[in-house]
Amino acid sequence: GNSVTQMEGPVTLSEEAFLTINCTYTATGYPSLFWYVQYPGEGLQLLLKATKADDKGSNKGFEATYRKETTSFHLEKGSVQVSDSAVYFCALMGTSGTYKYIFGTGTRLKVLA
Amino acid sequence: DTAVSQTPKYLVTQMGNDKSIKCEQNLGHDTMYWYKQDSKKFLKIMFSYNNKELIINETVPNRFSPKSPDKAHLNLHINSLELGDSAVYFCASSQGLSGAEQYFGPGTRLTVT
Repeated sequence: GNSVTQMEGPVTLSEEAFLTINCTYTATGYPSLFWYVQYPGEGLQLLLKATKADDKGSNKGFEATYRKETTSFHLEKGSVQVSDSAVYFCALMGTSGTYKYIFGTGTRLKVLA
Repeated sequence: DTAVSQTPKYLVTQMGNDKSIKCEQNLGHDTMYWYKQDSKKFLKIMFSYNNKELIINETVPNRFSPKSPDKAHLNLHINSLELGDSAVYFCASSQGLSGAEQYFGPGTRLTVT
């Protein structure tokens, strides 16, 4: 079945550091891939998405590229801010009638001033 | 205007009780979901309704029963609550089934004592 594997957290960075959160997936066909962010005490919200191979999703300085050859969708940001502290979830939605999201386990990011 | 709302935000109850959580979305979406998030932030889908029809029913104890009176509402009723039911429950909605962004509510923190 479909699955998503995210790097374990927590990740602690200083402000303005470079961020990478790794995400790899297992799925048949061409799933849609997503990154969601959950701020403390809130629900998840979509950060970015990509629906086909080589697509790059981007939003608020975050980027992720859909790599079919490595089955990856790593999240990057060039310069993190304290306000980026949150839990980040990689997710996929499969094709062929599997109409459900599969979420990764989440990676907690803490950015220090 | 809140897009996806849930009530109550907090729910503390004793083992064996029956409780309900309500969800409403004003986005005009046709698909709604219930997720359970445990203390380690692991997020798992429980149910999904499309146009009031149940389409996803994961391996959830039958003490949990969703009800969708109309496309804008999806309620969750839990019978005979157990300690292990303590978690944060999120409602979400989307337009369509495949590859669509999901909009999450703020969550209901259920504590069973």
